[in-house]
Amino acid sequence: DTAVSQTPKYLVTQMGNDKSIKCEQNLGHDTMYWYKQDSKKFLKIMFSYNNKELIINETVPNRFSPKSPDKAHLNLHINSLELGDSAVYFCASSPGTSSQYFGPGTRLTVL
Amino acid sequence: QQQVKQSPQSLIVQKGGISIINCAYENTAFDYFPWYQQFPGKGPALLIAIRPDVSEKKEGRFTISFNKSAKQFSLHIMDSQPGDSATYFCAARDASGGSYIPTFGRGTSLIVHP
Repeated sequence: DTAVSQTPKYLVTQMGNDKSIKCEQNLGHDTMYWYKQDSKKFLKIMFSYNNKELIINETVPNRFSPKSPDKAHLNLHINSLELGDSAVYFCASSPGTSSQYFGPGTRLTVL
Repeated sequence: QQQVKQSPQSLIVQKGGISIINCAYENTAFDYFPWYQQFPGKGPALLIAIRPDVSEKKEGRFTISFNKSAKQFSLHIMDSQPGDSATYFCAARDASGGSYIPTFGRGTSLIVHP
């Protein structure tokens, strides 16, 4: 069974649209994260949720909003998509005391 | 502000050689230092990790060397193989405040030639 799963794997959309990426983890971890990886492979943390509470929020535009319906899910909603939002987005989870487990990624292309 | 500086940005090694990737940090509150391996089209995956109370950790061909006084740590890949070709990220975690905030280096693209 996949530990951290994301859907969709690929997302192609027009500028100005609103889209969502779903993430689920079956590891029982308390903390989940969203990362953005740009074309230079730099991993930038966007959000972290711990027990359904947002605990960090880096300098991310408010067009991005995480939503966690329960401890196993952390979805990413993006409004009014821009060209610069094109990237690979990774969901990850962690028990908090050790490393992170990453999902397979969602490649977002904004046209 | 880059809290974890990773070098080199890219590395080419011949099969059987030693690959060395270095990272340096400033934040003395970091208490956990993992390395991640990422293959094209995949998510990063934990490779090996170390805590600051030890100076070295070895798992198979992969070794982390840690120098607390210099605030540096490095990954050594012995007998490098073409299958090791990937992007490697060092990371450091700050557990102060209980938030376990991770900070990643910018990554090193490793190519191992057959």
